[in-house]
Amino acid sequence: AQSVAQPEDQVNVAEGNPLTVKCTYSVSGNPYLFWYVQYPNRGLQFLLKYITGDNLVKGSYGFEAEFNKSQTSFHLKKPSALVSDSALYFCAVRDMKSDGYNKLIFGAGTRLAVHP
Amino acid sequence: NAGVTQTPKFQVLKTGQSMTLQCAQDMNHEYMSWYRQDPGMGLRLIHYSVGAGITDQGEVPNGYNVSRSTTEDFPLRLLSAAPSQTSVYFCASSYSRRGGEKLFFGSGTQLSVL
Repeated sequence: AQSVAQPEDQVNVAEGNPLTVKCTYSVSGNPYLFWYVQYPNRGLQFLLKYITGDNLVKGSYGFEAEFNKSQTSFHLKKPSALVSDSALYFCAVRDMKSDGYNKLIFGAGTRLAVHP
Repeated sequence: NAGVTQTPKFQVLKTGQSMTLQCAQDMNHEYMSWYRQDPGMGLRLIHYSVGAGITDQGEVPNGYNVSRSTTEDFPLRLLSAAPSQTSVYFCASSYSRRGGEKLFFGSGTQLSVL
């Protein structure tokens, strides 16, 4: 079965510093990977996805993610963190079911705290 | 542009009570789904639908029923609430009928079962 793991419950970073939120995956076949963000008392919002092609994927709000097949990782990155980036971040992978329909499998989430 | 609308935002139930969580989307998406979010467990799929009249179970379907009579609406019913169903519930839709693509989420329903 497809799965993703987010090894860090929380990441702390100072404003202006680069940030990385880690995600590793386990899939059979080619992975379809996603990052979502959840701000307090809100639903999840799509940030970016990787299907194929360039290993560096650019998304919303200045975020990007690097796909690394040899390390089975899909880490979320941003060159310069903002306090407003503080939120809960979820990595997800597409699970292709035998009936032809798919679903997204989410990681447990990583809380990002950006300090002024 | 409303997107995905969930009601209510908050609900407190007593054990054994039943209720329906409402979800509506105005994007003409065929794929709709319900997730529950619990601390340290991410989001887990409860039920999903790939079109009006078609529903199927996700990872954690026990204790929940769904129906899809229209493209727009996908209500989630708790038949007899249990404390283990205390959670935050999210409805989501996708432009891909097969699912597994970008999801559009509602703002959630926080449910407490006493």
